[in-house]
Order: sequence, then structure tokens, then C-alpha cells
Amino acid sequence: GESVGLHLPTLSVQEGDNSIINCAYSNSASDYFIWYKQESGKGPQFIIDIRSNMDKRQGQRVTVLLNKTVKHLSLQIAATQPGDSAVYFCAERGSNDYKLSFGAGTTVTVRA
Amino acid sequence: DSGVTQTPKHLITATGQRVTLRCSPRSGDLSVYWYQQSLDQGLQFLIQYYNGEERAKGNILERFSAQQFPDLHSELNLSSLELGDSALYFCASSVEGGRFLSYNEQFFGPGTRLTVL
Repeated sequence: GESVGLHLPTLSVQEGDNSIINCAYSNSASDYFIWYKQESGKGPQFIIDIRSNMDKRQGQRVTVLLNKTVKHLSLQIAATQPGDSAVYFCAERGSNDYKLSFGAGTTVTVRA
Repeated sequence: DSGVTQTPKHLITATGQRVTLRCSPRSGDLSVYWYQQSLDQGLQFLIQYYNGEERAKGNILERFSAQQFPDLHSELNLSSLELGDSALYFCASSVEGGRFLSYNEQFFGPGTRLTVL
């Protein structure tokens, strides 16, 4: 599967392969981390979240990994499908805060 | 469909003008959040209302203001518009967001695309 060690703005993936999208966050006091998917012409859509006291959480075809030591978050998508083509954002929220701070986003393109 | 509605879908106006963006949250959601998405700044949190009261504020300009009405719909007012205000404006809603802080999924509307000429 395709993977990136550092955050890159774009990721091209072969259909059926696994994708890994990386995100570095800035606030060590952040309590929640969330991944959103934004398709063209639509608003962001929640994918999965993880609390700071966890290091891994799995959903349907997606896994989020949290490494607090290096303030790194990743989203793994298994068996990437054409419908996964979108911009993916990570977001963080502090324990005493309601606002979400979003990362720059990674555009994922799935090749048939 | 997230259940959050925003109007209008597109808005084209001139510099110096004032516009109002409207948002209706999902049924039962008490919190409304406003975000601005531009090419150079990404997605930025502007402001949050919970059950009619301002709850949190982000990088919202003084020229911008918002309110949440008794029926829970919200309006974002943008005045003295500048070219740099051209962006997508999203509204999101969640069930909670009040006194007890816990993560509640935010559901985003389809956005209003504002173009300032």
C-alpha cells in the first residue's frame, strides 16, 4: 500500500491498496483528535476520532493511530476504493476548548 | 446528507457590502459552529453558540458577528467585506457543547461559497 512518513498534500493510491495519511499536531494538551473527509463540493464528514488516552482505534476499514511522543496522528484506510477519493483533514481539540483546529489536508486520489 | 442546512449556496457581492449567512442545525442539536475555509488559511474555526449563547470564539474578525436564535438557527453576519473574505463558510452542529465538555461529533452543512468582487 501507499504510505507517507511525513504529511504530504497529495497521495495517489491504487484501488485495492491500503492508504496511510499522516498528520502532525501542535498542541500537546489536545484531548481529542478527529479525522474528517471532504468530498468535492461538500462539507467535511466525520470519519473517526480518538481520545488522547488511546493510541489506536479501529472503525470500518479505517484505523487511527496516535503517537503522543512525537505528536503524530495517522489514518489508515484498508482496501482503498474510488469513493475514498477526497481531501482528508485531521483536527485536534483541547480538553478545555470547543474549537477544532484543522490540519492542512491531504488530497487522496484513487487510481483505477 | 448531514441534516445541517445552509443558505444561500452561493453569494457574490462587492467590497464594502454586508451579507448574512444562515444555518439550520440538525434537529435536536443545541450547538452551532461556524468555520471559514479558504485556500491560504485552510479550515478555521470562527465561533460557537450553544442554546443561544456564545460559547467559544476563534479567529473571528470584528467585522464578523453571529447569533443563534430561539429556534436554534444561526446567522453569520459579515460586514465591510474585503476581497480576502472570499471563502467557503461552513456551519456545523452537535448535540452538546454546553457546560460539560466532552467530544460530540460535529455535523457539517454543505457550506456557503462567498465571492467578494
